[in-house]
Amino acid sequence: DIVVTQSPDSLAVSLGERATINCKSSQSVLWSRNNQNYLAWFRQKPGQPPQLLIYWASTRESGVPDRFSGSGSGTDFTLTIGSLQAEDVAVYYCQQYYSIPLTFGQGTKVEVK
Amino acid sequence: EVQLVESGGDLVQPGGSLRLSCAASGFTFSSYWMTWVRQAPGKGLEWVANIKQDGSEKNYVDSVKGRFTISRDNARNSLFLQMTSLSGDDTAVYYCARPLTEENSAYRAVNYWGQGTLVTVSS
Repeated sequence: DIVVTQSPDSLAVSLGERATINCKSSQSVLWSRNNQNYLAWFRQKPGQPPQLLIYWASTRESGVPDRFSGSGSGTDFTLTIGSLQAEDVAVYYCQQYYSIPLTFGQGTKVEVK
Repeated sequence: EVQLVESGGDLVQPGGSLRLSCAASGFTFSSYWMTWVRQAPGKGLEWVANIKQDGSEKNYVDSVKGRFTISRDNARNSLFLQMTSLSGDDTAVYYCARPLTEENSAYRAVNYWGQGTLVTVSS
């Protein structure tokens, strides 16, 4: 199984400041045939199901604010929240969908400083 | 509007069985792979299983293989998860989820989720 590890486990950021979350997979999730990284990012607010933010490592889902961006390739990925808003207080997960079982990172809790 | 509504969650004794359902609407159900994801109380997300459009391919996480069975009824726009030999480790909110596109691939991100149904395994 591909192990996905996020860092940090939690972070506190001031409103309007940048938040950066890292995600590392135990093996590459880049498929050479289509040059796509099989990596997604989700935001989960308390009491709600997860919401897809980013797929293919860097493609923003429709309706997701442009302050969210994804980058990286192979085994190392980053989610950046360009300017933290109050509604971004949540737990963020990355997920690889390259290999069965599709595995999630352990989550990163983002709070307001 | 895409809607996924799970049901069937309950309190069940260890060793017991339960069948979860997910009613889908607002899209052509038979055109999509479908997925179950679970989340233990206060814990992270765990992918459980997915199933091909026609039900001919199914994938499971190792921890549920041989105990859980994913199935679907395209005529009734419904997804199911039959769970047997339940233990406390199976206590979780179970989410039904749909991928972004209708592609014939088990390897896609999901972008629609239901609200989940709670399964509690306890004596």
